[in-house]
Amino acid sequence: AQSVTQLDSQVPVFEEAPVELRCNYSSSVSVYLFWYVQYPNQGLQLLLKYLSGSTLVESINGFEAEFNKSQTSFHLRKPSVHISDTAEYFCAVSRNTNAGKSTFGDGTTLTVKP
Amino acid sequence: DAGVIQSPRHEVTEMGQEVTLRCKPISGHNSLFWYRQTMMRGLELLIYFNNNVPIDDSGMPEDRFSAKMPNASFSTLKIQPSEPRDSAVYFCASSLGLAGPYEQYFGPGTRLTVT
Repeated sequence: AQSVTQLDSQVPVFEEAPVELRCNYSSSVSVYLFWYVQYPNQGLQLLLKYLSGSTLVESINGFEAEFNKSQTSFHLRKPSVHISDTAEYFCAVSRNTNAGKSTFGDGTTLTVKP
Repeated sequence: DAGVIQSPRHEVTEMGQEVTLRCKPISGHNSLFWYRQTMMRGLELLIYFNNNVPIDDSGMPEDRFSAKMPNASFSTLKIQPSEPRDSAVYFCASSLGLAGPYEQYFGPGTRLTVT
């Protein structure tokens, strides 16, 4: 079985400050990793994903995440946040089998203050 | 592509009434998931289907909840009878596969209020 732990339930930051949202996972097999974002009153949408290859993956709006196999982590970072980044962020893991499903973390609420 | 379509977007009903939520997945996707989201419990997976077949319904809270997927383009989640504690946002999501490198595409959700 796999599990996901998002280490911070709420992260408040000021605009233009850097931010890191932490995600750790556990799995006995190879996994695929995802970050989803949920803006207020909307469904979740994919932000970025790690499937294989380069351990650093980027999104189109400046977020990046690094897969660290030894530390079983997939932390999400942005060097300078904007007010519009205020949202809830979910880390998810999926196994490379046809017997399971994505497992989601409990979410981290990022609040960007002016 | 229109994305995952859910209806209704909002539903207000009285305790004891039957509620039916509907979902149309993205064409070509063969896996469908129903989630419930509340402030107290976060995002919970209720049930998921692969090729229209229910794979795991262990997340369904109780017998009052049932879900069907009669064909590849339609699924329903029914609550009968509804109770105030069922108030939540219900999301439907679809993906190309059940597991592996396939992200899930979420609908906009149905906000259910049971009074």
